[in-house]
Amino acid sequence: SQKIEQNSEALNIQEGKTATLTCNYTNYSPAYLQWYRQDPGRGPVFLLLIRENEKEKRKERLKVTFDTTLKQSLFHITASQPADSATYLCALPPMEYGNKLVFGAGTILRVKS
Amino acid sequence: DSGVTQTPKHLITATGQRVTLRCSPRSGDLSVYWYQQSLDQGLQFLIQYYNGEERAKGNILERFSAQQFPDLHSELNLSSLELGDSALYFCASSVGGTSGSTDTQYFGPGTRLTVL
Repeated sequence: SQKIEQNSEALNIQEGKTATLTCNYTNYSPAYLQWYRQDPGRGPVFLLLIRENEKEKRKERLKVTFDTTLKQSLFHITASQPADSATYLCALPPMEYGNKLVFGAGTILRVKS
Repeated sequence: DSGVTQTPKHLITATGQRVTLRCSPRSGDLSVYWYQQSLDQGLQFLIQYYNGEERAKGNILERFSAQQFPDLHSELNLSSLELGDSALYFCASSVGGTSGSTDTQYFGPGTRLTVL
């Protein structure tokens, strides 16, 4: 089955800097990849979707890249703010039939002012 | 607000008991997913329904069962509860259920279950 790896260590950065989160996957070639944000005690919220034929996707201060050769997606938040502090999850479609997403364990981002 | 509703928000019960969690998907969404998230743990997929039929099954215990009704709302039944079942239970919905779809999942606010 596919394996998704996200940094298990929390990422601590200073306000105004760019945060970069990594999602690595193995064992297959997904047609797309999604990123979600989860605040403590709340449900994940969809942020961005990037397809295999797209190298980069942007939305306001967010940027996602998708390198199908490296089997890696990078998620960037520019000009980070304390309000960006949350857990960020990447999600991929399953290898088998169906559209059930497979979520990574997530990376905690802490932005300090 | 995702448009997905879950009730109740909090549930406190004793070991051995049975509870039912309810989820109403976004208007127009046919797929419903259930997830379990224990303290400081990742999302664990339990089960998916599409238009009333079971579509995919994850690490769902035999003590747990779910169904999706004709009006598309879904219920997750947890029985013979154990202390380890204490967790946040999330429901999510998406538009379709066919392979190859890139349906985004919209999550509800969750039900926090505490088993004493």
